[in-house]
Amino acid sequence: QKEVEQDPGPLSVPEGAIVSLNCTYSNSAFQYFMWYRQYSRKGPELLMYTYSSGNKEDGRFTAQVDKSSKYISLFIRDSQPSDSATYLCAGLTGGGNKLTFGTGTQLKVEL
Amino acid sequence: GAVVSQHPSWVICKSGTSVKIECRSLDFQATTMFWYRQFPKQSLMLMATSNEGSKATYEQGVEKDKFLINHASLTLSTLTVTSAHPEDSSFYICSAIPGQGGDTQYFGPGTRLTVL
Repeated sequence: QKEVEQDPGPLSVPEGAIVSLNCTYSNSAFQYFMWYRQYSRKGPELLMYTYSSGNKEDGRFTAQVDKSSKYISLFIRDSQPSDSATYLCAGLTGGGNKLTFGTGTQLKVEL
Repeated sequence: GAVVSQHPSWVICKSGTSVKIECRSLDFQATTMFWYRQFPKQSLMLMATSNEGSKATYEQGVEKDKFLINHASLTLSTLTVTSAHPEDSSFYICSAIPGQGGDTQYFGPGTRLTVL
């Protein structure tokens, strides 16, 4: 079983839709969770960084962590074509610096 | 801030040759840098952790004699793929952590290696 599981997609939505991207994880030692956005043939860009359970909002993006069910989510409101990319979730243990990534979900926002 | 660059962005080489990829933190000092490999439609797989002034720590299954890592300064780490073979063709991405003891990784734009 992979430590971080993510549906690879592709997920296709119309412009303006609310997008929900999800990951599950198995490592109970993860304390920090990140969402990265990766455009084709580019390096990942940090979008959201959360610690422990709860929600964190930044503009159109909301990250949600539920440690009891080992489930993390990223919501994108008012999705735009420029949001089309691969979204990677990652977990990090406390005191460590080694990220464990999911496989990424490919998102397409269509006009 | 927190910009990481890589050079070259794309390289093609013949089988059996060696290729060096540079990773630089442009506006911060990075005690720790990481090297990842990413195959098409797959996630990033950590190859090694590079610490300035010491030997790199390689992940299980990664050949340290094939993937030579040198972290000679607080702003530069290099990955040399020695005796490259077509199966080494991949997207190589580095990341760096600003300062000391932080945990947010900032990624470079990646280097696409094609071995003929």
